[in-house]
Amino acid sequence: AQTVTQSQPEMSVQEAETVTLSCTYDTSESNYYLFWYKQPPSRQMILVIRQEAYKQQNATENRFSVNFQKAAKSFSLKISDSQLGDTAMYFCAFMKLIYNQGGKLIFGQGTELSVKP
Amino acid sequence: NAGVMQNPRHLVRRRGQEARLRCSPMKGHSHVYWYRQLPEEGLKFMVYLQKENIIDESGMPKERFSAEFPKEGPSILRIQQVVRGDSAAYFCASSPRDWDYNEQFFGPGTRLTVL
Repeated sequence: AQTVTQSQPEMSVQEAETVTLSCTYDTSESNYYLFWYKQPPSRQMILVIRQEAYKQQNATENRFSVNFQKAAKSFSLKISDSQLGDTAMYFCAFMKLIYNQGGKLIFGQGTELSVKP
Repeated sequence: NAGVMQNPRHLVRRRGQEARLRCSPMKGHSHVYWYRQLPEEGLKFMVYLQKENIIDESGMPKERFSAEFPKEGPSILRIQQVVRGDSAAYFCASSPRDWDYNEQFFGPGTRLTVL
């Protein structure tokens, strides 16, 4: 069974600085997807960034980038130029396709990020 | 294009009652997923449905829980004879048939409180 581990329950960062959130996973699959979701106090789940396992290039989305180390099964999220609106719970998630269509997301325990002014 | 809609947003039930949670996927999406978030925890997969079919229910408790996604109308997650441990936020997500995009879009969730 696949598992996702986020070892940092809480983190804080000063506004405009850079922070890295860690995530490791365990799987025997070779083709899968990895995601970071953000859950602000509103509790709405918002996709931050995605990575296909077959792609070696690290995904980037504006201020958000990942460091994907497939052999080490590591998938960390870097937030540059942190903003107050980045304050939220961040979840790392793993997905394996089912019948090459949909797939279930397996989430880590989450990291609560506080951005301080 | 409206997002995933869930209702009600908040639901209060007494122990032993039934809870029905509804999810309308985004227009054009034929895949629906249900997740449960217990207090202070991450989301846990419950069930994956396509129209009139249950694809994967490996996360559903064996008793009292059922889900459907009929040909017409919203997907329904039904919890019979609720207990206090069922208190949680229940999230629905949907995705299109075209898996090149592989993103699940989440609804705002239904917060169930069992008294």
